[in-house]
Amino acid sequence: QKEVEQNSGPLSVPEGAIASLNCTYSDRVSQSFFWYRQYSGKSPELIMSIYSNGDKEDGRFTAQLNKASQYVSLLIRDSQPSDSATYLCAAPRLSGDKLIFGTGTRLQVFP
Amino acid sequence: NAGVTQTPKFRILKIGQSMTLQCTQDMNHNYMYWYRQDPGMGLKLIYYSVGAGITDKGEVPNGYNVSRSTTEDFPLRLELAAPSQTSVYFCASSNDRVREQYFGPGTRLTVT
Repeated sequence: QKEVEQNSGPLSVPEGAIASLNCTYSDRVSQSFFWYRQYSGKSPELIMSIYSNGDKEDGRFTAQLNKASQYVSLLIRDSQPSDSATYLCAAPRLSGDKLIFGTGTRLQVFP
Repeated sequence: NAGVTQTPKFRILKIGQSMTLQCTQDMNHNYMYWYRQDPGMGLKLIYYSVGAGITDKGEVPNGYNVSRSTTEDFPLRLELAAPSQTSVYFCASSNDRVREQYFGPGTRLTVT
């Protein structure tokens, strides 16, 4: 199992819907997670950090961490076409030597 | 705060040429990183630094060199450029190796 795994997508949702992006992780990563958004041709931009079990909300974004099932999700409410991007999940390796990035899920929000 | 800045934004090199990609951060972060990202692919770590004077190899260091003489700057040197080094290069920094990283805008490099 990869340390951090994401479905590459694309995930297509209509404008106004909830987009749900998932990331699963192995026992080899520490349980702090970071979600990045990367627009085509741009650099990754940090949008959410989550360190504890449960939900964390920031505007239209909610990060959910489920340690028992080893997954972390990012929910985007009221999705807009401007949310169309690739979303990267990242977590530090347990050994503490580096941050492991997933390969990203491409989200397409259509009008 | 400007955050992480990178220069140049774009560069075209001929095979065998050399160049230095510049990276500067103004957040007083000890940790700095260089990644490359090929089209449609994930981030690959080239080199990283845990502080001035200390650098270490990442997953794909061959063909690159780095130095870290100050906290702010972390240049990446390409010697003898090859077409396989055509990629987008991102510099990032963080205040701890297990915390979030902040990325610069990237340098798009083409080697022909």
